[in-house]
Amino acid sequence: AQRVTQPEKLLSVFKGAPVELKCNYSYSGSPELFWYVQYSRQRLQLLLRHISRESIKGFTADLNKGETSFHLKKPFAQEEDSAMYYCALSGRSGGYNKLIFGAGTRLAVHP
Amino acid sequence: NAGVTQTPKFQVLKTGQSMTLQCAQDMNHEYMSWYRQDPGMGLRLIHYSVGAGITDQGEVPNGYNVSRSTTEDFPLRLLSAAPSQTSVYFCATAPDFLKHRDYNEQFFGPGTRLTVL
Repeated sequence: AQRVTQPEKLLSVFKGAPVELKCNYSYSGSPELFWYVQYSRQRLQLLLRHISRESIKGFTADLNKGETSFHLKKPFAQEEDSAMYYCALSGRSGGYNKLIFGAGTRLAVHP
Repeated sequence: NAGVTQTPKFQVLKTGQSMTLQCAQDMNHEYMSWYRQDPGMGLRLIHYSVGAGITDQGEVPNGYNVSRSTTEDFPLRLLSAAPSQTSVYFCATAPDFLKHRDYNEQFFGPGTRLTVL
């Protein structure tokens, strides 16, 4: 079964500290992984996807198929990074564009 | 170019009442979907559509109906609201999956906050 696990409901750090938001998945085929972010009073939006291997707003995420993980990292957190972060998986083996979301992690960056 | 719009923004219902949540998009996307967002549970897929006239159930379809008569609109109907349907509802769209196999981003609406008393 497709499943996305984000073990931390809340991650609280100080400005300038490194950040790692954990995401583990279970999927038998070739997954496509995403990180979505929801800032306060804004709509959910795509932050980055593993297939593009890009860094957005200083965040990176590497797909580790051996550990079935897709952790989101940033070396130096900023206050404007405070938001709700969702890891999501989209399967390619049949079906259509269905995203399976994790429960989300709230990142709070303190001054 | 409004993107994905949802109405209403807020709604309070009594148990047993019916209502329709509206979702419209002007991006000519084939794929549209409805999610509900609950604390500690993330976003769960209710129903989705891959084109006009085609709909299918997601993870939590019970208590909800959908139809897709046009590319632009994808309304979500609650026939008899229950307190368990208190949630924030998001509509999302994406380009056709089969034509964009390497591009899987979904675009979300602003959400509708529904309370059922």
